[in-house]
Amino acid sequence: QMTQSPSTLSASVGDRVTITCRASQSISTWLAWYQQKPGKAPKVLIYKTSTLESGVPSRFSGSGSGTEFTLTISNLQPDDFATYYCQQFGTFGQGTKVEIK
Amino acid sequence: QVQLQESGPGLLKASETLSLTCAVSGDSIKTNYYWCWIRQPPGKGLEWIGSIYHSGKTYSHASVKSRVTLSVDTSNNQFSLKLTSVTAADTAFYYCARLVEVGANHFDFWGRGTLVTVSS
Repeated sequence: QMTQSPSTLSASVGDRVTITCRASQSISTWLAWYQQKPGKAPKVLIYKTSTLESGVPSRFSGSGSGTEFTLTISNLQPDDFATYYCQQFGTFGQGTKVEIK
Repeated sequence: QVQLQESGPGLLKASETLSLTCAVSGDSIKTNYYWCWIRQPPGKGLEWIGSIYHSGKTYSHASVKSRVTLSVDTSNNQFSLKLTSVTAADTAFYYCARLVEVGANHFDFWGRGTLVTVSS
């Protein structure tokens, strides 16, 4: 089970935001993060905890180990307002909606 | 560039069988990836349904395992999902996706998704 927090996050352009994903037990580093915009399929941002997918801006970063993992977006841009999901094997987190403050 | 495209009926009645096909282009389905189905009820989160390798090896989520059949058609470079005895709870956007499993575990290419609505 993957518990993601917060479920909603209000932020402004230029902010640094952090989303957390907690596993019910210690997991490997095979954790990925996705961004989903309304009406679109999810898009992978980061895999293996901290590896940035090709073409993804460097303001996205991932870290963590054991049971706690984080996605950080530095210098939030208008295009970043979306819903974010973590994923480990066949389990997704519940999602975090990043809204405009 | 790898592309995936879902196809199948968008409206079903309760107790019918959901059948979807995912056509893959830009890559052979016989490469070293799993091919997967993921669904998302409107306004809700993502749920992995199952994965299939070109050899026919499959994995599926415990919640649907008894109702799911996954198959692969290497001749036509496509794979399929069948879900029997559907109910309103199966109403969702259904996505097909490619799973990178070697040295990682993530879905790198996704179809656009298709909405399947189950009416009672």
